[in-house]
Amino acid sequence: KQEVTQIPAALSVPEGENLVLNCSFTDSAIYNLQWFRQDPGKGLTSLLLIQSSQREQTSGRLNASLDKSSGRSTLYIAASQPGDSATYLCAAPATGGSYIPTFGRGTSLIVHP
Amino acid sequence: EAQVTQNPRYLITVTGKKLTVTCSQNMNHEYMSWYRQDPGLGLRQIYYSMNVEVTDKGDVPEGYKVSRKEKRNFPLILESPSPNQTSLYFCASSLGTPTDTQYFGPGTRLTVL
Repeated sequence: KQEVTQIPAALSVPEGENLVLNCSFTDSAIYNLQWFRQDPGKGLTSLLLIQSSQREQTSGRLNASLDKSSGRSTLYIAASQPGDSATYLCAAPATGGSYIPTFGRGTSLIVHP
Repeated sequence: EAQVTQNPRYLITVTGKKLTVTCSQNMNHEYMSWYRQDPGLGLRQIYYSMNVEVTDKGDVPEGYKVSRKEKRNFPLILESPSPNQTSLYFCASSLGTPTDTQYFGPGTRLTVL
């Protein structure tokens, strides 16, 4: 069964820093790898989706990479801002049988001015 | 505006009193699913539906029922709620295949006394 781990669990940084959030998964046979943002008490917003055949995706200050062979994905946030404060989750649905996406427990990010 | 809506957003009920949480999407998506989110356990899928009249169990289906009579609606039914079903519930949808981006509703916070 797929297991997804996110490190670190929490991160507090000053504004302007470049950040790296990590996501690792045990089953490399995945449909895709999706990164989400969740603000307190709210739903998840999709940030980036990397198909299994892709290596990376970029959107503005965000860049996500995927290395299936090592079972890892990295979300890079450039020039962090206080508005980036949120919990970031990754999901890595394995292809074996049903589509049941497995989520990591998230990285809680605080960017202070 | 493309969105997934859930109702109610907040609900406090008592053990054994049947309840339904509604979910509706206006994007003509084929795939819909329900998750629960609990501290320390992350997001776990309850049920999913690949299309009208096609539903299947996720990771934690016990105590829940779903139906998919129309493409846009996917209600979650708790026939006899218990306190261990106190949680934050999310509905999500995607276009059709497991490689598509998931869109989440705003969440329903349920408390069962």
